[in-house]
Amino acid sequence: GNSVTQMEGPVTLSEEAFLTINCTYTATGYPSLFWYVQYPGEGLQLLLKATKADDKGSNKGFEATYRKETTSFHLEKGSVQVSDSAVYFCALRTGANSKLTFGKGITLSVRP
Amino acid sequence: DTEVTQTPKHLVMGMTNKKSLKCEQHMGHRAMYWYKQKAKKPPELMFVYSYEKLSINESVPSRFSPECPNSSLLNLHLHALQPEDSALYLCASSQDGWAWGNYGYTFGSGTRLTVV
Repeated sequence: GNSVTQMEGPVTLSEEAFLTINCTYTATGYPSLFWYVQYPGEGLQLLLKATKADDKGSNKGFEATYRKETTSFHLEKGSVQVSDSAVYFCALRTGANSKLTFGKGITLSVRP
Repeated sequence: DTEVTQTPKHLVMGMTNKKSLKCEQHMGHRAMYWYKQKAKKPPELMFVYSYEKLSINESVPSRFSPECPNSSLLNLHLHALQPEDSALYLCASSQDGWAWGNYGYTFGSGTRLTVV
């Protein structure tokens, strides 16, 4: 079956620090990969996505590259801001009649 | 319009009450979903509607009853809930129907439900 593994959290960083959040996956077939962000008290927002190997998704300074050889989709940002404090979920979907499978999520706190 | 709108934002109900959650999207998306999210956990899928037909019921108790009146609306009817049903209920939609599967979902902001 499909599964997504995220690094253990929470993560606390100072403003302008470099961010990496690890995500690895197991899937049947060829998944599409997603990062979702959930700000306090809100629903989930699609942050970025990649639908095939070596694709790079990017949005709001965040990037993630679909690495088929390492089955990974790590999220990176060069300089985090306090406003990036949120919960980040890695997710995948493998095509026909497939559920969106989420990782456990990781809480990021950025201090001024 | 690129949003999924959920009402109400907050709901407190007794265990004998009947209430409904509403979800609306005007993006022409053909699949709509109900999720339940407990604190500090990922969302759990409850129901999938594809082209206005119920495609998936993830063994959800019958006290939760979904309804899709048309392609833009999704309701979740609640009856005789338990305190453990207190959670954030999220609605989502996707551009593809359930049988396609390459698109991400657009989520609403959720209804925070408290059962007393």
